[in-house]
Amino acid sequence: DGGITQSPKYLFRKEGQNVTLSCEQNLNHDAMYWYRQDPGQGLRLIYYSQIVNDFQKGDIAEGYSVSREKKESFPLTVTSAQKNPTAFYLCASSIRLLSTDTQYFGPGTRLTVL
Amino acid sequence: DAKTTQPPSMDCAEGRAANLPCNHSTISGNEYVYWYRQIHSQGPQYIIHGLKNNETNEMASLIITEDRKSSTLILPHATLRDTAVYYCIVRVAGQNDYKLSFGAGTTVTVRA
Repeated sequence: DGGITQSPKYLFRKEGQNVTLSCEQNLNHDAMYWYRQDPGQGLRLIYYSQIVNDFQKGDIAEGYSVSREKKESFPLTVTSAQKNPTAFYLCASSIRLLSTDTQYFGPGTRLTVL
Repeated sequence: DAKTTQPPSMDCAEGRAANLPCNHSTISGNEYVYWYRQIHSQGPQYIIHGLKNNETNEMASLIITEDRKSSTLILPHATLRDTAVYYCIVRVAGQNDYKLSFGAGTTVTVRA
């Protein structure tokens, strides 16, 4: 079954701690994305990657970091520098980095900072 | 991208067809219409997209008017699991704008 997996589904973190969210896809897609969604709000792009070992900042990259060492994996680290990290985090992928290539989403990780 | 307008909410009876309208009167010739949905606390799910011809897949049908200023997503036999927020967006071919952004969408409630 092809798709995108994210883990964990729920994550709790104390203030001042870094935490890494996992995203894996077996769709053989080149492009991957991280979005943040806050209650009642739309999607905001954090980072995106066109290909292995390449990634670019999105609109709200401050306080986040990513890596793309393998095609199928695009982990997101939420650092202690992120001022308001409590949110629903969504990973997506598409065949290529084109505006009309369909983006497919994972199930999301809900991060709560205590 | 062209702006879209959707009704904020609609109800549908289980087993009946759900027809979700979307207005995109400023759409240009190279803009595609995409539909996604998001069930509560889950990731958005791609449903269907089209340029000017009607499209059908295993989930839904997309009917685009001849002037392309509006479209309708049809869920042929709605089930309780179709209860979700449905988003209609337009995407421009060839632009370097990769981020997806959803408006408020239509909250569809399927009732037994």
